Amino acid sequence: SAVISQKPSRDICQRGTSLTIQCQVDSQVTMMFWYRQQPGQSLTLIATANQGSEATYESGFVIDKFPISRPNLTFSTLTVSNMSPEDSSIYLCSVERAGGPSDTQYFGPGTRLTVL
Amino acid sequence: GEDVEQSLFLSVREGDSSVINCTYTDSSSTYLYWYKQEPGAGLQLLTYIFSNMDMKQDQRLTVLLNKKDKHLSLRIADTQTGDSAIYFCAERRPRDNRLAFGKGNQVVVIP
Repeated sequence: SAVISQKPSRDICQRGTSLTIQCQVDSQVTMMFWYRQQPGQSLTLIATANQGSEATYESGFVIDKFPISRPNLTFSTLTVSNMSPEDSSIYLCSVERAGGPSDTQYFGPGTRLTVL
Repeated sequence: GEDVEQSLFLSVREGDSSVINCTYTDSSSTYLYWYKQEPGAGLQLLTYIFSNMDMKQDQRLTVLLNKKDKHLSLRIADTQTGDSAIYFCAERRPRDNRLAFGKGNQVVVIP
């Protein structure tokens, strides 16, 4: 498995501001992902954080709104830019170790964001 | 359809068995997973099953897979109050090697 921490665990932000969420893993991993979980909903993949190159975004998500960094194999950040109340969600970091029997994804505890 | 489907809510008495169902979308999905999300927490991997298996048992958990119907179930034996959570099924789709999650099934265990 993997031990994943996220900062902050929760925040309340004003409309129009930006928040950067950090994800730290206890060991090197090949794949890191960022998901959004809107209230009462399932998980939606925002992007794959690639080490040393730009993130790969899913349909409906753009770099200007959700810039992502991945400076090394254990750390990534997601910024939620120019926030609106619709961005109120849980943001989850996930990691995957390729090559295992199930290529299992492990999740961080999430960051609960409320935008006023 | 494109969505992984789950029923939404299950109430069960402590000590009884719980069964959570899921219908996934891609018959060629390689792995199917069950995750648990307790209130205020992230997702915890409970178990997974490879697509060439019909059943997997892990302590109180039994996973059944019906590939023909693309149906996955999770049975929790001797359900305890700590099992109260939202349970998500997920499939790994070969076309993009990504996980697709169901909407989740909330299980409430009544003491």
